[in-house]
Amino acid sequence: NAGVMQNPRHLVRRRGQEARLRCSPMKGHSHVYWYRQLPEEGLKFMVYLQKENIIDESGMPKERFSAEFPKEGPSILRIQQVVRGDSAAYFCASSQGTVGSYGYTFGSGTRLTVV
Amino acid sequence: QKEVEQNSGPLSVPEGAIASLNCTYSDRGSQSFFWYRQYSGKSPELIMFIYSNGDKEDGRFTAQLNKASQYVSLLIRDSQPSDSATYLCAVSGSSNTGKLIFGQGTTLQVKP
Repeated sequence: NAGVMQNPRHLVRRRGQEARLRCSPMKGHSHVYWYRQLPEEGLKFMVYLQKENIIDESGMPKERFSAEFPKEGPSILRIQQVVRGDSAAYFCASSQGTVGSYGYTFGSGTRLTVV
Repeated sequence: QKEVEQNSGPLSVPEGAIASLNCTYSDRGSQSFFWYRQYSGKSPELIMFIYSNGDKEDGRFTAQLNKASQYVSLLIRDSQPSDSATYLCAVSGSSNTGKLIFGQGTTLQVKP
């Protein structure tokens, strides 16, 4: 019974490159959330998706960041033209229903380093 | 004012003592409250959730909620060195869309 799977665990990108972070939710979970944790800071909400729908993207930067959760396959967080300030841990979480009922299960995260 | 506030610590307690972690929130309409534990370099792990005023106990952990005071706390009894971690308080917004607002976390150190 695999948990939330994120890959890669570590990702190094040069400034200006693209970063693609993948998240496969727990079996039976249809709600996916992405959070970012900057060094020495708390978790910041980025986006909430259900299959083929973005429900809440209020935490997504207006430029360079996008997310999708297609009908088939993992959810993808895409960062175009990365800058040093994008270096952070990116966590994906999933839930079976709305978070008020079940809470989140987080994946192991992707540590993005921009050099 | 931050939406969810925690004392960053570190909070240091001796082994076997009770550790008390506190959290306040600003949105009076918040409905669900969570405590996560995060070890250094690891992902957050859900340890408690509470929806109603009062206390909720699970093993050595007790979550306390006071909606009138907009205050949530976590008590850890018989603290162990393995409890040393950062504890994150999380609150769902009044719209309950699935978004959680996290505090900055309190670092707990349990000394043998």
